[in-house]
Amino acid sequence: EPEVTQTPSHQVTQMGQEVILRCVPISNHLYFYWYRQILGQKVEFLVSFYNNEISEKSEIFDDQFSVERPDGSNFTLKIRSTKLEDSAMYFCASSLDRESTYGYTFGSGTRLTVV
Amino acid sequence: GQQLNQSPQSMFIQEGEDVSMNCTSSSIFNTWLWYKQDPGEGPVLLIALYKAGELTSNGRLTAQFGITRKDSFLNISASIPSDVGIYFCAGRTQGGSEKLVFGKGTKLTVNP
Repeated sequence: EPEVTQTPSHQVTQMGQEVILRCVPISNHLYFYWYRQILGQKVEFLVSFYNNEISEKSEIFDDQFSVERPDGSNFTLKIRSTKLEDSAMYFCASSLDRESTYGYTFGSGTRLTVV
Repeated sequence: GQQLNQSPQSMFIQEGEDVSMNCTSSSIFNTWLWYKQDPGEGPVLLIALYKAGELTSNGRLTAQFGITRKDSFLNISASIPSDVGIYFCAGRTQGGSEKLVFGKGTKLTVNP
């Protein structure tokens, strides 16, 4: 079964450092998303991406965050200068269509720990 | 912003028992999704609902999209130990937003 692949599974970084979280969405999917989940809390939307541009973003997704699809397969989330409160699980997801007729498919996540 | 109130927060049941959990909101949703999350994993889609009143089953799981479009429930029948995990409802509101709004989850523990 097709899956969304995320790397690394766990990243530890020092406060103020830049991190790049990587995702390989399902190959024929067109819509890409990043969500995050702070430990013990609910999953929160960060950003959606379609046709090489951001289509929607939340208030969490401030100027420290950026997304990119550098080639035909990867989708990345960059945090420019990490803060302690950025520590969370970050999930990439993709869907075939805008209405997510078949639901999103989520990756297994990257656990980001900022120290 | 839109909020989903999911209950109960946690459940401890015996194997073989039926389980019911629900989500409510003051906002209207045009899509309801139910996900299960195992520790260290991403959410896995269980059931998707797209029409008010829709009742959909997936094996021992049954979910319904409320008539008012402001609520949904998930039932699990004859629970088994591998049903353990956190169940999340998620919805997409009207107005063309692509984002999913998630509930806070129901943590299910099944005692053999």
